[in-house]
Amino acid sequence: DSGVTQTPKHLITATGQRVTLRCSPRSGDLSVYWYQQSLDQGLQFLIQYYNGEERAKGNILERFSAQQFPDLHSELNLSSLELGDSALYFCASSPGPRPDTQYFGPGTRLTVL
Amino acid sequence: DQQVKQNSPSLSVQEGRISILNCDYTNSMFDYFLWYKKYPAEGPTFLISISSIKDKNEDGRFTVFLNKSAKHLSLHIVPSQPGDSAVYFCAASPTSLSNSGYALNFGKGTSLLVTP
Repeated sequence: DSGVTQTPKHLITATGQRVTLRCSPRSGDLSVYWYQQSLDQGLQFLIQYYNGEERAKGNILERFSAQQFPDLHSELNLSSLELGDSALYFCASSPGPRPDTQYFGPGTRLTVL
Repeated sequence: DQQVKQNSPSLSVQEGRISILNCDYTNSMFDYFLWYKKYPAEGPTFLISISSIKDKNEDGRFTVFLNKSAKHLSLHIVPSQPGDSAVYFCAASPTSLSNSGYALNFGKGTSLLVTP
């Protein structure tokens, strides 16, 4: 158990819908990262927040947005969902801004039908 | 555009022998490299990292070697154990905070199988 929690574990929805994935970092960790793992693209970095501020941005679509709240939990919002958004979404956290002590959650599996 | 490449999708090694996992990158701005291990149905686990100011970093049975001129890094596991069987991901990042922070670019992974 990494100490990072993600909810829900599984999510099944339809194209065009909007979903919110939630992540609670390890106690004391200030950074939260979001990743997408799909079969053909491997693990893709989406976005990082550090202490409530956006720190780094990767290949995150405009239909996706994220935020980190004052209690440091984070939410990833995915809208206008397409079939290709079906993937495993991981959240990770680290104490500081560097990812070298990063701990990953178990992931949320999103299926878009 | 895959900037980090792990050209071997799978590797099989006998228990007790050395496992060598390779990774190549194309972006010369990358100066920080990490390896992660992933078991099925779990999130990746950080293993070891190396900064471009070094060419080697060791942690127990795991050693990462960096060859900057060749834009190549490798992870050595010695001795390999059956519990090491997992998918290993290489990741790289530029560390200029004024640019993109730690935007990790991942390879597609190498599945290692250590047989008894």
